[in-house]
Amino acid sequence: QKEVEQNSGPLSVPEGAIASLNCTYSDRGSQSFFWYRQYSGKSPELIMSIYSNGEKEDGRFTAQLNKASQYVSLLIRDSQPSDSATYLCAVLNYGQNFVFGPGTRLSVLP
Amino acid sequence: DGGITQSPKYLFRKEGQNVTLSCEQNLNHDAMYWYRQDPGQGLRLIYYSQIVNDFQKGDIAEGYSVSREKKESFPLTVTSAQKNPTAFYLCASSSRVLTFGSGTRLTVV
Repeated sequence: QKEVEQNSGPLSVPEGAIASLNCTYSDRGSQSFFWYRQYSGKSPELIMSIYSNGEKEDGRFTAQLNKASQYVSLLIRDSQPSDSATYLCAVLNYGQNFVFGPGTRLSVLP
Repeated sequence: DGGITQSPKYLFRKEGQNVTLSCEQNLNHDAMYWYRQDPGQGLRLIYYSQIVNDFQKGDIAEGYSVSREKKESFPLTVTSAQKNPTAFYLCASSSRVLTFGSGTRLTVV
């Protein structure tokens, strides 16, 4: 079983819609969770971090964490074509390593 | 501005040759990491260092070597033992979140 799993996509949504990205992880000792955005040919950039159960909102982005279900999600409201990228879920595990999922490719259609 | 500098941006390696990728940070972070990314794939951990003069192997350390003589610097050497080195290499540092450099794209010629 992979440590961090994501649907590879591509996920296509129309402009203005809500994009929903999901991630599951296997290490129950994980304490910190992150969403990174990566444009083609570029390095990842941090969008959100979340450390406790519940929701965290930052502008059009909302991260949700459910440690009991070992599940993290990212919602993007009012999706824009500039949001088209690969979204990487990352988990800081017990060994103090950041483990990444394979990423979900999002395409926002004008 | 604080950040992570990786050089070169593009690197070409001949068969049997060792090459070294540079990574420098001025964020005063203790922890530094090297990841490899293949096309359409996620990031895989090569090596990491939590403190000067100490480093640990990640999931795919074979064919790679590192050093951590200074807090600011964490160079990665891709040795001739790495049979398939063509990839995008990302250096990162961390206090509580990972910050990435701009990456080095390595190609075997």
